[in-house]
Amino acid sequence: AQSVTQLDSQVPVFEEAPVELRCNYSSSVSVYLFWYVQYPNQGLQLLLKYLSGSTLVKGINGFEAEFNKSQTSFHLRKPSVHISDTAEYFCAVDGSSNTGKLIFGQGTTLQVKP
Amino acid sequence: DAGVIQSPRHEVTEMGQEVTLRCKPISGHNSLFWYRQTMMRGLELLIYFNNNVPIDDSGMPEDRFSAKMPNASFSTLKIQPSEPRDSAVYFCASSPLGRGDYEQYFGPGTRLTVT
Repeated sequence: AQSVTQLDSQVPVFEEAPVELRCNYSSSVSVYLFWYVQYPNQGLQLLLKYLSGSTLVKGINGFEAEFNKSQTSFHLRKPSVHISDTAEYFCAVDGSSNTGKLIFGQGTTLQVKP
Repeated sequence: DAGVIQSPRHEVTEMGQEVTLRCKPISGHNSLFWYRQTMMRGLELLIYFNNNVPIDDSGMPEDRFSAKMPNASFSTLKIQPSEPRDSAVYFCASSPLGRGDYEQYFGPGTRLTVT
């Protein structure tokens, strides 16, 4: 069975500092991996996705993530965060590529402080 | 494209009443997903459809919940009778599965409060 673990429920960080949000997955098959962001009172929006190819994936708003198959991780990073990055971030995996069904992690709240 | 459209955006109802949530997926998308989000349980997949056919409803909490997709442009999630523990934000998402794009596009959600 597939599962996703987001290791931190909350990550406080100061503005302009770098940040890493951690995600580990378990799956016995090849996976597709996603990071979504949810701003307050809104739906989820795709930040980036890994389907195949380069293991370093760049997304919107300056975020990037690296797929590490040996460590079954897909950590999200940004070199310098802004106040506007304050939101909840979800990692998701689709290990059954024919269905489109995603398994989401519990989410990480990024709190950017001035 | 208008994106995924959900209605109503907010619903307040009394326990025991029937509630119907509506979703219009993005045109051309052939997969549709219903999720529920609460503080306690996070984001839960309730049911999803491929080409209007329900594929997996194992996340539907109990028989009080039902979902339909009569055509490619409309889906409903019904709760009858509603209970206070059903209070949550319900999201609909659609995906162009089959075109090599596995991204799900989420609607703005319906915030349901059952008193």
